[in-house]
Amino acid sequence: NAGVTQTPKFQVLKTGQSMTLQCAQDMNHEYMSWYRQDPGMGLRLIHYSVGAGITDQGEVPNGYNVSRSTTEDFPLRLLSAAPSQTSVYFCASSSGGVGNQPQHFGDGTRLSIL
Amino acid sequence: AQTVTQSQPEMSVQEAETVTLSCTYDTSESDYYLFWYKQPPSRQMILVIRQEAYKQQNATENRFSVNFQKAAKSFSLKISDSQLGDAAMYFCAYRSAGYSGAGSYQLTFGKGTKLSVIP
Repeated sequence: NAGVTQTPKFQVLKTGQSMTLQCAQDMNHEYMSWYRQDPGMGLRLIHYSVGAGITDQGEVPNGYNVSRSTTEDFPLRLLSAAPSQTSVYFCASSSGGVGNQPQHFGDGTRLSIL
Repeated sequence: AQTVTQSQPEMSVQEAETVTLSCTYDTSESDYYLFWYKQPPSRQMILVIRQEAYKQQNATENRFSVNFQKAAKSFSLKISDSQLGDAAMYFCAYRSAGYSGAGSYQLTFGKGTKLSVIP
């Protein structure tokens, strides 16, 4: 029972490089989302998806792209990495329909941009 | 937009004692959900307890309980018989009960309270 799997766990990039953070869930959850966690801050929503083919922006979407071609996968793309994107990134999923369904989080990806 | 405030950046508790973490929130909605998440040094986000706003009864999960005061928009977490494994960051989070749009799913987090447990 894998739950939400994020890869990689750690990554160091140079400014201007691009990369994709992977997220996969095996719970057939409709809703998936990406958050970033910065020191002294709670988690902030970057992008979310309510189902395959449907994505939308959250609170801090600039500099990130997402797509949802399957129910299971929700990758997050950094097109041109900037030092301000140094953060810990969490992917989460939940079943849709009612707000009290808990979100299941991955173990996070620590990303450093030099 | 909703906001969540955790006014205690750090707290400590003696092992086996009780500690209460504070959380207040601001919303114009009448129906919503509140959560406490625990983040140990392993970085995992672990759901501790959740509360539906329409329920007057406070949620309880083993040693964890909440004091939900809807009129005061307060949602504190009480940890009884504290254990060394309770040491972690604790995040309070809000989620709308709406059935469409980002608010249905988005969690709005507070900045967290770092809890230390003293042996």
